[in-house]
Amino acid sequence: QKEVEQDPGPLSVPEGAIVSLNCTYSNSAFQYFMWYRQYSRKGPELLMYTYSSGNKEDGRFTAQVDKSSKYISSFIRDSQPSDSATYLCAMISGANSKLTFGKGITLSVRP
Amino acid sequence: EAGVAQSPRYKIIEKRQSVAFWCNPISGHATLYWYQQILGQGPKLLIQFQNNGVVDDSQLPKDRFSAERLKGVDSTLKIQPAKLEDSAVYLCASSLGLVETQYFGPGTRLLVL
Repeated sequence: QKEVEQDPGPLSVPEGAIVSLNCTYSNSAFQYFMWYRQYSRKGPELLMYTYSSGNKEDGRFTAQVDKSSKYISSFIRDSQPSDSATYLCAMISGANSKLTFGKGITLSVRP
Repeated sequence: EAGVAQSPRYKIIEKRQSVAFWCNPISGHATLYWYQQILGQGPKLLIQFQNNGVVDDSQLPKDRFSAERLKGVDSTLKIQPAKLEDSAVYLCASSLGLVETQYFGPGTRLLVL
């Protein structure tokens, strides 16, 4: 079993839709949880960073962490064509800041 | 603020050849990372430096890969000899310190024929 599992894609939605992204993990040592966005031929960029269980909101982006279920999710509201990218969940155990990534899911938002 | 710089952006080589990648982190960032991202996968950490010392190289194939960070600033990653399965994007990232936000460069796309 991989340490981080991410829902397979690709995902295609119409503009304005709510997008749901999910990851599960097996390592209880993970303490910090991130979502990265990666445009084609670019490096990943950090969207959101959470530490504790619960919700965190930033504009159209919401991240949720449920440590008891080892499950994280994110939602993109009012999706735009510019949101078309690959979304990666990532986690850190805190010991040395080593990031463990999910496989990523490619999102396409249709105008 | 300038981002993480990497060169070259693209490289095509034949198997058994050697190749080197260069990374210049964000000014003042003590921690530098090299990741390998195979098509359809998330990035996988190869090596992590704190200043010019190695923090984690547990996933670096040391029989063919090497990396250095002289003077604690720029870094080079070398593959010698390259194999077909080394075809991937090599990403460099930097952060102010451990458990700080990592900022990624655009990556170097390597194709081994």
